[in-house]
Amino acid sequence: QVQLQESGPGLVKPSQTLSLTCTVTGDSMSSGSHYWSWLRQRPGKALEWIGHIYYSGSTSYNPSLESRVTISVDASKNQFSLNLNSVTAADTAVYFCGRERLIDYSQDYWGQGTLVTVSS
Amino acid sequence: QSALTQPASVSGSPGQSITISCTGTSSDIGGFNYVSWYQHHPGIAPKLIIYEVNKRPSGVPDRFSGSKSGNTASLIISGIQAEDEADYFCGSYRRSAPVFGGGTKVTVL
Repeated sequence: QVQLQESGPGLVKPSQTLSLTCTVTGDSMSSGSHYWSWLRQRPGKALEWIGHIYYSGSTSYNPSLESRVTISVDASKNQFSLNLNSVTAADTAVYFCGRERLIDYSQDYWGQGTLVTVSS
Repeated sequence: QSALTQPASVSGSPGQSITISCTGTSSDIGGFNYVSWYQHHPGIAPKLIIYEVNKRPSGVPDRFSGSKSGNTASLIISGIQAEDEADYFCGSYRRSAPVFGGGTKVTVL
């Protein structure tokens, strides 16, 4: 059973960096059979893809966030991480991690999501 | 404004069939056979129920089906059950990135 679990602070101050980690169990990131992704849902908005990483470290980002985003992987720990810098209140959202199919970029497994609030 | 357009809500009585639409453009839904649907009960992980327009992952009941015509995709729930009450959102592919609809709340009357 594949499971993903997000972890990290639930409150971040404006202008600081939002950092989250996703721990994967039930699958090996090193198998190379999927991408590993971050997504978010801001209040009242549609789900938004932030970006993904391959086990090798190759990344792809949403152009609207690319200047502020870094996704990294630690395949030995079966974890991958999100850093979003210079956050504002507009970055308040539920953040999800996902396992993403290589062919059609659908997310076949998700974490339950974690609420991150940006506030002083 | 969502990349893909869904109705805000759909309802049906147990045993009825309901259809949820998802409208995009020729750059996403109309351009590829890459449409996915997700079921989300708030507070737990979303679940993939349809991928590549009409394929079901293992374990998804066959009362869930998908189709596409032009720039519009549809999720059909045949014989809706109480446990199907949830949020549903669609996904597609545009310019090498996933895009999503705003979600539809399904109520079982």
